[in-house]
Parts: sequence; C-alpha cells; structure tokens
Amino acid sequence: DAGVTQSPTHLIKTRGQHVTLRCSPISGHKSVSWYQQVLGQGPQFIFQYYEKEERGRGNFPDRFSARQFPNYSSELNVNALLLGDSALYLCASSLGQASNEKLFFGSGTQLSVL
Amino acid sequence: AQSVTQLDSQVPVFEEAPVELRCNYSSSVSVYLFWYVQYPNQGLQLLLKYLSGSTLVESINGFEAEFNKSQTSFHLRKPSVHISDTAEYFCAVSSSGGGADGLTFGKGTHLIIQP
Repeated sequence: DAGVTQSPTHLIKTRGQHVTLRCSPISGHKSVSWYQQVLGQGPQFIFQYYEKEERGRGNFPDRFSARQFPNYSSELNVNALLLGDSALYLCASSLGQASNEKLFFGSGTQLSVL
Repeated sequence: AQSVTQLDSQVPVFEEAPVELRCNYSSSVSVYLFWYVQYPNQGLQLLLKYLSGSTLVESINGFEAEFNKSQTSFHLRKPSVHISDTAEYFCAVSSSGGGADGLTFGKGTHLIIQP
C-alpha cells in the first residue's frame, strides 16, 4: 500500500506570493493533519481535518487555510508568504480523529521563501 | 497548553552501549505520550506510545519508555544500540480529553551511534 504522499517535494516562492501544498492520505484513512517543522525544531500542529471538516487548529495566522476533499486528500494554502514561513510542511493521516491515534507522516514539502 | 522538553539536542553513543533520551512534559490536563523517530531521508514513524495501564511500554526494535506521572517524564531507553538506530527522536504529547489540538512535539534529539 502507498504511504502518505505529498507534493511537491520542494518549492521556492518569494515574499507575498501564495502557495498550495497537497497531501494524499493512506487508503482508508479519513483524517489528515498538517504540521510545520522549522529547521532545528519539532513539528508544530497547524490543522486537523476529519470527514472534510476542520476539527482542530493550531496557533497559526489566518493566512494559513486548508481543506479536505471527498476522497480525503487535502490541500494546505498559505497566503502572503513571509520569510518565516520557510519550513518543512508535513502531512499526516490516521484512521480516525482521536488524539491517541497513530499518525502516518509523509516525507514533507520543503518550502523556501526568498 | 502543553509543552515538551527534550534537554539533549544530540546524544553520541558507542555501538552496543545503553542509551537514554530524556523527555519531560508540562500539561494542565491528562495526556497521551508518544515517541516518534525520523530515520535519515524518511518520514516520521511512531516508535511507541503510552495511553493508559502499565507505565512501561516497549517497541518492536528493543526501545522502551516509562511514564512517570510524578516527574512528568517519558524517557526513552535501549540497553544496546546499533548503527541502524541513528536517527532523530521526537517526544510528543496530546490531550486525552478528546480535543483536536494535535500533537505537541519536543525539539528532537539526534542519536548518533559511533562504531
């Protein structure tokens, strides 16, 4: 079975631009979460979606938004990019939305903002 | 709010020696505890987790962690490490109260195995 897939793997943008990152969960998983990992830090929670609805949101500005599609894939959108948005963006999927669920992570999208 | 502290950013250990990676957490609510591992050029993988019951949990590759509520710790140990254990190890917590706040991760500890 394919694991969690993310695209693109690398991306370079300039300040003020908009970016869309994509994630396909493991087949059968209905929950997708997004995390931001800045170099030298642990991942930080951005969003959780379950059954196409937002179930949780971390401490990120409104420039960050996401959605989940009927096939459970997901997009993370970031508007008005700042230099500080440069990071590895990780997508994780799980069967359900419970906080004790095992998360399966993708390899991430490395975003560089110049 | 929750926080996780991993005091050691790097831990160098000789092959076949024992190792302990330290993790302390802070939370105003009950939590679940996790260790995730990131091998070179791979995504994060769950190593082990504590949900309830026995405070000692084990992984299939010889790691174990013990939940200590009084010290708010969840240290990871292995009695004898191998070169293949070289990786970044992240401790994480989540609320057991049913909220969807995601995982709160520590900064990670880079385990370096020396031959």
